[in-house]
Amino acid sequence: KAGVTQTPRYLIKTRGQQVTLSCSPISGHRSVSWYQQTPGQGLQFLFEYFSETQRNKGNFPGRFSGRQFSNSRSEMNVSTLELGDSALYLCASSPGVYGNTIYFGEGSWLTVV
Amino acid sequence: AQTVTQSQPEMSVQEAETVTLSCTYDTSESDYYLFWYKQPPSRQMILVIRQEAYKQQNATENRFSVNFQKAAKSFSLKISDSQLGDAAMYFCAYRRGGARGGSEKLVFGKGTKLTVNP
Repeated sequence: KAGVTQTPRYLIKTRGQQVTLSCSPISGHRSVSWYQQTPGQGLQFLFEYFSETQRNKGNFPGRFSGRQFSNSRSEMNVSTLELGDSALYLCASSPGVYGNTIYFGEGSWLTVV
Repeated sequence: AQTVTQSQPEMSVQEAETVTLSCTYDTSESDYYLFWYKQPPSRQMILVIRQEAYKQQNATENRFSVNFQKAAKSFSLKISDSQLGDAAMYFCAYRRGGARGGSEKLVFGKGTKLTVNP
């Protein structure tokens, strides 16, 4: 059974540009969450989707957005990139049922220059 | 809001020895889950162990066990017979319990970097 797949794994963007990151959850999983990891702030929750609906959102500016498709794949978008957006973005999936274990992907490394 | 605190930024242990990583949390809820995740240099978060708050028995997974003290809001991880492959960042995490379909948001501590010396 394939794990959580994130693409691209590494990317470099320029300030002001936008970026889209993709996450394919484990087959059968309906819940996808996104986290930002930086040395200074640690792991911070971005948002969570379940069956194409945003179920929860973290305290990030509106430049950060996401969506989930009918096949449970999810994308997150960051517009007008800032240097501080440089981070590891982790995607996590679970069946979405109460009490299930959450599994993480290997992350997408974003560097903004 | 729930918070998770890991007071040990770094720890080291000799191979084959035992080490305990500390974690405290703050919540007003009675139904929740606690987790320890391991993040090796590859950066993939790997679940080590989980504990349901309603279970009094401490969770155990092979060489990993927890000491869950609900009243003290403490959740420490003990690694026995440490191996070189155990070297990683370890994160303690909290998740609310609740009804089916509720949010699965994880709240993480800042992490503890574990070094295993040969």
